[in-house]
This record gives sequence, structure tokens and C-alpha cells, in this order.
Amino acid sequence: AQTVTQSQPEMSVQEAETVTLSCTYDTSENNYYLFWYKQPPSRQMILVIRQEAYKQQNATENRFSVNFQKAAKSFSLKISDSQLGDTAMYFCAFMKSPMNRDDKIIFGKGTRLHILP
Amino acid sequence: DAGVIQSPRHEVTEMGQEVTLRCKPISGHDYLFWYRQTMMRGLELLIYFNNNVPIDDSGMPEDRFSAKMPNASFSTLKIQPSEPRDSAVYFCASSLSRGIGTGELFFGEGSRLTVL
Repeated sequence: AQTVTQSQPEMSVQEAETVTLSCTYDTSENNYYLFWYKQPPSRQMILVIRQEAYKQQNATENRFSVNFQKAAKSFSLKISDSQLGDTAMYFCAFMKSPMNRDDKIIFGKGTRLHILP
Repeated sequence: DAGVIQSPRHEVTEMGQEVTLRCKPISGHDYLFWYRQTMMRGLELLIYFNNNVPIDDSGMPEDRFSAKMPNASFSTLKIQPSEPRDSAVYFCASSLSRGIGTGELFFGEGSRLTVL
């Protein structure tokens, strides 16, 4: 069974700093997707970034980038030039690919990130 | 697109009462998920549907919980009778078929349930 572990329950950084959120996972699958979702105080979860396991290049979306280490089963999220609007709960998630009908998307427990003015 | 629409956004009820949460997925999405979020347990998958058919309900806590999807544009999660420990935020999410889409989940804004 797959598991996703986020070892940092809560973090705080100053505005404009760079912050890295950790995520490790366990799987015997070779092909899969990894995701980072953001849940701001308004509650609605939105996708921040997606990584396909067969792609060696790390995904990047503006100020958000990942460090994907497949052998180490590590998938960290880096937020550069952090902004107050980045304050949120961040969830790491795993999905097998291709996914059978009865496979699930596995979420970590989340990391609460506070960006301080 | 209007996104995933959930109602009500907030519900306060008394123990023993029936609670019905509603969800309208994004048009064209064939997967629908119900999640529960609490401080203690994080995000838990309760049940999900594919083409209106329940695929996995192993996350449903007990018989007091039931979910239906009578058509592609509507689903309900019902708790009867409700208990204080059911207090949580309940999220509905939808996605495209895994063979076509990338697995991204689109979440609603959630329904915050408080059972007194």
C-alpha cells in the first residue's frame, strides 16, 4: 500500500524568503503522479503543481518548484519569494498511473505554512 | 466553468438530527469523491463514485453515513442520526477519468458541519 508522509506539521517564514516543504512517500509502483495541493484559510483546495514520475525534470510553476528524488521517494515543494497569500495548508498527494478504478489518491496529513509580514 | 458546488457551506444541528450535504460536480467529470477533514485525522476519503456508481465506500465511518449519486450532476452525503463526533468539514471533489485526465482533483469549498 502507498503512504505519503509530511514530517512538518507547521512552519513559519518571513515574507520574501524561500521555504521548502518536505514530503516522502512509499510505493512499489514505477509510474505515478505526485501533487501538491494548497488549502488557504478560505478552505477550497487547489492544485499547485504536478509531477509525473517518468519525467526526470522537476516541475515548475512560477514561484513554485519541486525537488523530485525518485530513488529516495522524496517530493519537496519550494516556494520562492514567499508572499502573504501563500499562507495555507499544503498537502502532498500520490496517485498511481495508470490508475485502476478502485485505486485511490493518497494524501499526506498536511503542513500548515504561515508567511509572516 | 462554475467549479464544484457544495451546499450548505455551514450547517449547525443537534445530535440525532439528519444531515444532508449536497454536491454538484464539474460537468463532464466522471469521478466524484467525498472527503472529511478534521484536525485530528486530516483529510479522509469517505467514498467515491465513477459514472454514478459507488466504487469504494470503505472510508464511510459507519452505517449512519450514506451517499448517493442519482445522476452525473448531483450527489448527496447523508448522516442519520448525526453525532457530535461527526463535526468536520466535508469536501466534495470531482475529476476526469484517469485514463484521460491527469488525476487532478477539483474541490468544492466544503461544508462545515457542527453537531451540538
